[in-house]
Amino acid sequence: DAGVTQSPTHLIKTRGQQVTLRCSPKSGHDTVSWYQQALGQGPQFIFQYYEEEERQRGNFPDRFSGHQFPNYSSELNVNALLLGDSALYLCASSSTTSFYNEQFFGPGTRLTVL
Amino acid sequence: RKEVEQDPGPFNVPEGATVAFNCTYSNSASQSFFWYRQDCRKEPKLLMSVYSSGNEDGRFTAQLNRASQYISLLIRDSKLSDSATYLCVVNGAWSGAGSYQLTFGKGTKLSVIP
Repeated sequence: DAGVTQSPTHLIKTRGQQVTLRCSPKSGHDTVSWYQQALGQGPQFIFQYYEEEERQRGNFPDRFSGHQFPNYSSELNVNALLLGDSALYLCASSSTTSFYNEQFFGPGTRLTVL
Repeated sequence: RKEVEQDPGPFNVPEGATVAFNCTYSNSASQSFFWYRQDCRKEPKLLMSVYSSGNEDGRFTAQLNRASQYISLLIRDSKLSDSATYLCVVNGAWSGAGSYQLTFGKGTKLSVIP
């Protein structure tokens, strides 16, 4: 049973560029959440997708956008990259049928903005 | 008061010791509580969901005190492999956060020493 997968594992971009990160949820999960983790900090919630719509959003600017596909996979897009966007980007999947709604994380994409 | 607050540590303990982590959260309406562990440069992994009555899984015991808005994790008979950062996580941790949003503490680093 494959867990949450993310691609790419590492990415280097320059300021002003745009980036797309991808996530496939765990089998049986229908919800995908995205988090940003800066060095030495806990993950910060960006947004959550369910039924191909953004269900909830954290305190991130509109430069951060996403998409969920019919097969439940998801993309995170970041436009006009800033140096401060350098971080580990984590995708987590969960199932709406789970009572406790536990979220399971993928290995992350490490983004470096130069 | 911060949304989810943990002692940053680090905690350095000998093998076989008992160690306790504490966490407080600010929204009395929060419903779901978790402990995750995170190894260096890896993704967070779900360690335990914390149930209202408290729960135990082998050497690990989690407790929830809703009145004090306080969560704890106890690790007995520490092993070298327990060395990691332990993250306290709350769903809907602040009044403006949606119930689907996980809010993470900054984590407490544990080093178990031979």
